[in-house]
Amino acid sequence: QSVLTQPPSVSGAPGQRVTISCTGSSSNIGAGYDVHWYQQLPGTAPKLLIYGNSNRPSGVPDRFSGSKSGTSASLAITGLQAEDEADYYCQSYDSSLSDLVVFGGGTKLTVL
Amino acid sequence: QITLKESGPTLVKPTQTLTLTCTFSGFSLSTSGVGVGWIRQPPGKALEWLALIYWDDDKRYSPSLKSRLTITKDTSKNQVVLTMTNMDPVDTATYYCAHSSLYCSSTSCSLLFDYWGQGTLVTVSS
Repeated sequence: QSVLTQPPSVSGAPGQRVTISCTGSSSNIGAGYDVHWYQQLPGTAPKLLIYGNSNRPSGVPDRFSGSKSGTSASLAITGLQAEDEADYYCQSYDSSLSDLVVFGGGTKLTVL
Repeated sequence: QITLKESGPTLVKPTQTLTLTCTFSGFSLSTSGVGVGWIRQPPGKALEWLALIYWDDDKRYSPSLKSRLTITKDTSKNQVVLTMTNMDPVDTATYYCAHSSLYCSSTSCSLLFDYWGQGTLVTVSS
C-alpha cells in the first residue's frame, strides 16, 4: 500500500480534460513537501512530467499542469490525446520513517 | 546529454545476492547536489524507491529494505552499484537507475528523478 494514494484508473475522450489526484498526509504533502509527477508510456521508463507541484520541464506540453493544496496534489491534462494514454505517478518526501522518496500507487489513464 | 543504463543478471535464484550496475554519462557524480537513485517496478505494479547515493557519498535507503541494500559509487568509472541480498521471487521487477536533482522551493527541498535508464528486468526463480 503506497504512502501517496492515487485512483487506479481514469479515462476521458479525446479533447476532454481529466484530473488525477494524489492524496497524502501531514508527514508528506501536508507538511509542505513538493510533489513531482511522472508519465510512464507503455513499455518505457518513467519520464519527469511536472516538478515542484506545477512546473513543467522543457518539452512538456502546456496541456499538462499540476497543483497542490493541503494534503493533496493534482495533475490535470487538457485537450486529451491518444498519446497521453499512460501510467502517471506522483512522488514526494515523507518525514516519518525518514522515507526520502515516496511514490503514489500510479494511475492508468485510458483515452477512450 | 545525460544517459543512464542498467546492467546485471536477468535471472537470480532465491537467497542469492543481486548486483546491478548503473553506468552513466553526461554528468559527474562529484558535482554538488547530484545523486543517483535506484527504483524498481514489479510487473504490473507501482514504482518503489530503493536507494540513493549523493555526490558526497551520503547514502539513503528505503526503510523497508535497508537491511538488504548497499549502494556504492565509482566516480572515475561513472558507475553506481546496487547490491540486494537474500533475493526472493517477490523481488522480481524491472530495476531502474535515475539521475536525481534536489528541488528547493520557498518551503522545502525534495528530490526528483529527472533522467532515467531504460530499466532491466530481474527475475527471481529457482
